[in-house]
Amino acid sequence: DTGVSQDPRHKITKRGQNVTFRCDPISEHNRLYWYRQTLGQGPEFLTYFQNEAQLEKSRLLSDRFSAERPKGSFSTLEIQRTEQGDSAMYLCASRGGGAANTGELFFGEGSRLTVL
Amino acid sequence: AQKITQTQPGMFVQEKEAVTLDCTYDTSDQSYGLFWYKQPSSGEMIFLIYQGSYDEQNATEGRYSLNFQKARKSANLVISASQLGDSAMYFCAMREKNRGSQGNLIFGKGTKLSVKP
Repeated sequence: DTGVSQDPRHKITKRGQNVTFRCDPISEHNRLYWYRQTLGQGPEFLTYFQNEAQLEKSRLLSDRFSAERPKGSFSTLEIQRTEQGDSAMYLCASRGGGAANTGELFFGEGSRLTVL
Repeated sequence: AQKITQTQPGMFVQEKEAVTLDCTYDTSDQSYGLFWYKQPSSGEMIFLIYQGSYDEQNATEGRYSLNFQKARKSANLVISASQLGDSAMYFCAMREKNRGSQGNLIFGKGTKLSVKP
């Protein structure tokens, strides 16, 4: 499978615990995005990487959230001291560059977080 | 201000009929891109169709077409010959090219389409 993969698909945790999600983008894509989607809403942008550099962070990304892409390939999103409001689907997307690229994002199936 | 507005929380369509899902957008940029994605219950966002702001023709992809009316800032998705498998959430999104190379997409709240047999 050459699509975007995310792990785990589902995570249930207790309030206050730390969780980490992993995203493996399409191998030739240098741009990687994290989004959060709550029930009844569209995806909301969290952060963006170009290669290993984190170039943009949304105000939604509080200091309890940290994202990395250490070698410009896979990425991790960690949430520390989880709160019930963090319950959401966390979506990862990637895309390549190039002038002919329409900017279409390729999404993974998401990691659903439930904080009890 | 909301940049992407989808006014239909839910829509029903009879199998084999056509359906239009509405989307209006707000931008001051001249160069932008509009996208539609489908999200089935499994959660994955599936790209359907793209329209560039300078494209003179409406985009088409199989049973999907985009009714692009630039002056009205609308980008409605038309699905022809609906199938049961089309039942899903549909999201309209915009990329403002002048924001640089980030390519971030801004999404609407979505429309839930239900296809009736």
